[in-house]
Amino acid sequence: SQQGEEDPQALSIQEGENATMNCSYKTSINNLQWYRQNSGRGLVHLILIRSNEREKHSGRLRVTLDTSKKSSSLLITASRAADTASYFCATALSGSARQLTFGSGTQLTVLP
Amino acid sequence: ETGVTQTPRHLVMGMTNKKSLKCEQHLGHNAMYWYKQSAKKPLELMFVYSLEERVENNSVPSRFSPECPNSSHLFLHLHTLQPEDSALYLCASSLDVQGTQPQHFGDGTRLSIL
Repeated sequence: SQQGEEDPQALSIQEGENATMNCSYKTSINNLQWYRQNSGRGLVHLILIRSNEREKHSGRLRVTLDTSKKSSSLLITASRAADTASYFCATALSGSARQLTFGSGTQLTVLP
Repeated sequence: ETGVTQTPRHLVMGMTNKKSLKCEQHLGHNAMYWYKQSAKKPLELMFVYSLEERVENNSVPSRFSPECPNSSHLFLHLHTLQPEDSALYLCASSLDVQGTQPQHFGDGTRLSIL
């Protein structure tokens, strides 16, 4: 089974609204990372949050991490049509952090 | 400009052909990766290189053969591929292989096997 799984699989909102995506994982992590992928392009790194951190901000992005629940959330505030993309969480495991394990992603559509 | 360049962007090949995918990074990173991205599936890590040495090989069929001549270049040599190998192949790089740094991705090669 997958280490990281995003929820929901798809999300459609109006421009200006907030978008929240969740990620759950199964084993202890060193860090958790969020990436964005626009159609036909590669992944772009958004935020890295370490296991000893609870919240990080970057512009309109806010990421939280709850290691007791093995979950993370990505909040995009005041969404724009340009935020339309797939969003992936990726976990780097504790002790053997050589690879990132990606989830299947959340497809976010922001309607103008 | 992502700092990681992949060529070609699109490739159509028959099952008996031999082709190569190329990846180049000028970010000064020491680690490079090949991923396979298929529709509706999570990204699959194929190979990891650290300072030109292969450190991970995740049970990838031998019809995929990686090559890392230096820390800036990574190739994926393809031969006798199967239709199920059609996918987006992504290259990435990072400062090191410890997983504590972000990965920088190229825009991928869309591979179609006829």
